[in-house]
Amino acid sequence: DGGITQSPKYLFRKEGQNVTLSCEQNLNHDAMYWYRQDPGQGLRLIYYSQIVNDFQKGDIAEGYSVSREKKESFPLTVTSAQKNPTAFYLCASSLRDSPYEQYFGPGTRLTVT
Amino acid sequence: AQSVTQLDSQVPVFEEAPVELRCNYSSSVSVYLFWYVQYPNQGLQLLLKYLSGSTLVKGINGFEAEFNKSQTSFHLRKPSVHISDTAEYFCAVCKPQGAQKLVFGQGTRLTINP
Repeated sequence: DGGITQSPKYLFRKEGQNVTLSCEQNLNHDAMYWYRQDPGQGLRLIYYSQIVNDFQKGDIAEGYSVSREKKESFPLTVTSAQKNPTAFYLCASSLRDSPYEQYFGPGTRLTVT
Repeated sequence: AQSVTQLDSQVPVFEEAPVELRCNYSSSVSVYLFWYVQYPNQGLQLLLKYLSGSTLVKGINGFEAEFNKSQTSFHLRKPSVHISDTAEYFCAVCKPQGAQKLVFGQGTRLTINP
């Protein structure tokens, strides 16, 4: 079955530690995205990548970093510089020609204490 | 820049009743419009989309939405809801050209009571 895998589903970290969230897709999509979801705020775009080895900042990129070394993978690192990292993180992908029709993974809930 | 406002954060309805979830957008250019659904503890799924053509758009699970350019609205409707429709619904907008980034509304939590 084609789809997007995010792991782990739940992640706990101590304040001051960097943490990397995994996102893998086998849909053969060129574009991939990371969103942050907080209650009552909808989804906010962190980073996106339209092609391998290239990515752009979204609306709330500060404190986050990404890489896109393979078409299938788009890991997100939440660094210690992120002031409020506890949130639900969603990864998505799309065909390059229809970036508005995005397919989402199940999400990772990150809790930092 | 585009923005989306979902006027209700929560909508409780009884099973088999009709429902309307409201969405208004702001943009100085023409836009594409979308509704996504998020079931509990899952990612989002595209429900329906308006790109051009007929202003009444039908989606999955019996939902439909109507694009109203003069009122800058894209309200989502279903004539009879089921318990399984309990979810959070997000309206989204993007420009037809350029980066085509999706801008999401704050979400509306639909709760179906038996």
